Amino acid sequence: AQKITQTQPGMFVQEKEAVTLDCTYDTSDPSYGLFWYKQPSSGEMIFLIYQGSYDQQNATEGRYSLNFQKARKSANLVISASQLGDSAMYFCAMRPYFGNEKLTFGTGTRLTIIP
Amino acid sequence: GAGVSQSPRYKVAKRGQDVALRCDPISGHVSLFWYQQALGQGPEFLTYFQNEAQLDKSGLPSDRFFAERPEGSVSTLKIQRTQQEDSAVYLCASTWDRQAGVGNQPQHFGDGTRLSIL
Repeated sequence: AQKITQTQPGMFVQEKEAVTLDCTYDTSDPSYGLFWYKQPSSGEMIFLIYQGSYDQQNATEGRYSLNFQKARKSANLVISASQLGDSAMYFCAMRPYFGNEKLTFGTGTRLTIIP
Repeated sequence: GAGVSQSPRYKVAKRGQDVALRCDPISGHVSLFWYQQALGQGPEFLTYFQNEAQLDKSGLPSDRFFAERPEGSVSTLKIQRTQQEDSAVYLCASTWDRQAGVGNQPQHFGDGTRLSIL
């Protein structure tokens, strides 16, 4: 079984500042993938970034980076230079690397960027 | 468009009615997933298809829920005798994998169907 924990229900950040969204996970699978999705108020789930459990380097995609600490079982999302359009719900999710592909999601963090 | 398409976008039904939700995945995607997202929560897995085969339906909450993907492309999620607790957003996602179980492919989601049971 897999579990994702996101302990920040909501965050307020000033525009242009960096923000870190926390995610911890628990799994018995030896290899797994971690994903972050953004869900604006319109409802669509937008894939942001992926980290494999055996990847040696932290993943980066533009303004998004993932602070992956395997021993601590954490996969925090860092957004640099936040923009008003970053206001949304953010979900951390994981799946085993092999086998059933279903994603297990956390409860999400609502990020609000203040102008 | 090139993304996952879901219809209808909104559905209102009276308790006891049957509903059918449609998902048209990205062309060529082998795997298709249905998730249920209650208000203020993360999506919860319902069922999973690889081509036309339903490989996992462990997340379906009751036998009133039924999903199919007869030709390995479009999928329909059907809910019979709807109840108020079925009110949620139903998300469909697809992913492409030549090798089953490759873990680094993200799932691509549709906009969801918001179901309200009165």
